[in-house]
Amino acid sequence: QKEVEQNSGPLSVPEGAIASLNCTYSDRVSQSFFWYRQYSGKSPELIMSIYSNGDKEDGRFTAQLNKASQYVSLLIRDSQPSDSATYLCAVNVGGNNRKLIWGLGTSLAVNP
Amino acid sequence: DGGITQSPKYLFRKEGQNVTLSCEQNLNHDAMYWYRQDPGQGLRLIYYSQIVNDFQKGDIAEGYSVSREKKESFPLTVTSAQKNPTAFYLCASSVRDSPDTQYFGPGTRLTVL
Repeated sequence: QKEVEQNSGPLSVPEGAIASLNCTYSDRVSQSFFWYRQYSGKSPELIMSIYSNGDKEDGRFTAQLNKASQYVSLLIRDSQPSDSATYLCAVNVGGNNRKLIWGLGTSLAVNP
Repeated sequence: DGGITQSPKYLFRKEGQNVTLSCEQNLNHDAMYWYRQDPGQGLRLIYYSQIVNDFQKGDIAEGYSVSREKKESFPLTVTSAQKNPTAFYLCASSVRDSPDTQYFGPGTRLTVL
């Protein structure tokens, strides 16, 4: 059974701090990794995608991938109250399998 | 504007009735997906389609049916056989290559009375 695991939280950080969200996955052949943000009552919105080991930065967001440790993380710098949401990690094992395996999400609260 | 639309936003249904949820996209994406989201359970895949006139069951297909007669449209029917249909239903689409990035519609919240 392929799994993606995330701490459910809530993760609480003060405004301006760095929020660190973590995700581990069970399938070693996984090729594509995604972070989505979901506000309460809304649909998921793609934040970051990462395919190679290392860091990928986009504005205040940095995704980090370590395939050897089967670990992907999302760092949010200068956290804002508007970042308060649930962050979903998703993994695609590649090939002809077009399905994503989803984590249950981590709830983030940024306190003013 | 390109995007994915779902209608209606809210839907109420009596027990024993079938209901169809609409999903349309103008992104020229080949693949489309239906998910169900319940509190604390994350996203669960109901059906997906990689190409017109073809679709596959996901992890929780029982009580649901789909069709893919057009590239732009992937409607989901929730049948009376679905024992607990009250949920948030999300439609997504992606391009037909790898890596596979999925984009979501706004969702339909179905409540069975």
